[in-house]
Amino acid sequence: EAGVTQFPSHSVIEKGQTVTLRCDPISGHDNLYWYRRVMGKEIKFLLHFVKESKQDESGMPNNRFLAERTGGTYSTLKVQPAELEDSGVYFCASSQNSGSVHEQFFGPGTRLTVL
Amino acid sequence: AQSVAQPEDQVNVAEGNPLTVKCTYSVSGNPYLFWYVQYPNRGLQFLLKYITGDNLVKGSYGFEAEFNKSQTSFHLKKPSALVSDSALYFCAVRDILGGYNKLIFGAGTRLAVHP
Repeated sequence: EAGVTQFPSHSVIEKGQTVTLRCDPISGHDNLYWYRRVMGKEIKFLLHFVKESKQDESGMPNNRFLAERTGGTYSTLKVQPAELEDSGVYFCASSQNSGSVHEQFFGPGTRLTVL
Repeated sequence: AQSVAQPEDQVNVAEGNPLTVKCTYSVSGNPYLFWYVQYPNRGLQFLLKYITGDNLVKGSYGFEAEFNKSQTSFHLKKPSALVSDSALYFCAVRDILGGYNKLIFGAGTRLAVHP
């Protein structure tokens, strides 16, 4: 069974540019999460999809971040325009249906560097 | 506020010796606790979880963790460390207040096992 995949693995952009990160969850997982780890600190929650619906986006830093999950399959996270403080590793995770405490399966992450 | 603390940035252990990676938590109600490991250039891998029941939880790669409610701790342990255990370890708790399966992570502990 394929795991969670993320693309690209690394991205280096200039301040003010736009970047789009992609996440493909494990097939059949309705729950999809985005997290971010900045500068060696704790991994912080960004948002949670259940199928195509945003269940919780309380962790999104500001309106420069836009997440979508069209059709309830893969998800994209767009940062526009990027700022220096957006640098970090962005992780995507997926899990089975809610109702039980299932572990989340994480992708390898996308390392974003904003210069 | 709910939180997770990993008091040690790094733990150094000689191969063959027992290891402990510490984690304490602060939540309302009963905690759902997790340990994840991140090897270099890889995503987070699930090690084990505590939901309810036996306080000693066994997980992957010979790791186990002991839930201690009175001390609000969930320390990760292994009887005999391997060099290949060297990695970054994250403790996490399910955000009960936030609902669903959002995870709150500690800052991570780097484990270095020396030959």
